Amino acid sequence: AQSVTQLDSQVPVFEEAPVELRCNYSSSVSVYLFWYVQYPNQGLQLLLKYLSGSTLVKGINGFEAEFNKSQTSFHLRKPSVHISDTAEYFCAVNTGFQKLVFGTGTRLLVSP
Amino acid sequence: NAGVTQTPKFQVLKTGQSMTLQCAQDMNHEYMSWYRQDPGMGLRLIHYSVGAGITDQGEVPNGYNVSRSTTEDFPLRLLSAAPSQTSVYFCASSYSGLENYEQYFGPGTRLTVT
Repeated sequence: AQSVTQLDSQVPVFEEAPVELRCNYSSSVSVYLFWYVQYPNQGLQLLLKYLSGSTLVKGINGFEAEFNKSQTSFHLRKPSVHISDTAEYFCAVNTGFQKLVFGTGTRLLVSP
Repeated sequence: NAGVTQTPKFQVLKTGQSMTLQCAQDMNHEYMSWYRQDPGMGLRLIHYSVGAGITDQGEVPNGYNVSRSTTEDFPLRLLSAAPSQTSVYFCASSYSGLENYEQYFGPGTRLTVT
């Protein structure tokens, strides 16, 4: 079965600093990968997705992620974070029929 | 478009009670899913549907029932609530097209079982 690992449960960072949220997935023939963001007391919103093609994927709010097949990783990055980026971030893999398997989430805490 | 809507937003049940969580979407999506979110565990798939009349089990289906009589609606039924079902429940929908794969999530229902 496909799985996703987010090793960091919480990442504290100062405003305007860069951030990387790590995601590793179990290997498979075809991999469709996603990052979702959840702001407090809200549903999930898609940040970006990798289906095929360029390994560097750009998303909303200045986020980007790089698909690395050899390292089975899909890390999320932002060069300069804002207070408003404080949220929980989930990495997910599609396992067929649009079923998603999620990681356990990383809480990004941005402080001034 | 309202997108994906869920009712109620909050619910408290006693052990053994039954209830139905409602989910509706107005985007004509074929696929709909129910997930539960628990602290430290991310979201886990309960049941999903690939179209009206077709449903299947996900990772954690025990204690839940679903049906899909229309494209728009996908209710989740708790047959006999247990404290282990205290969670936040999210409904999601998506197109079946291979070019998309984006799932749209509702705002969630926070359920407490005492």
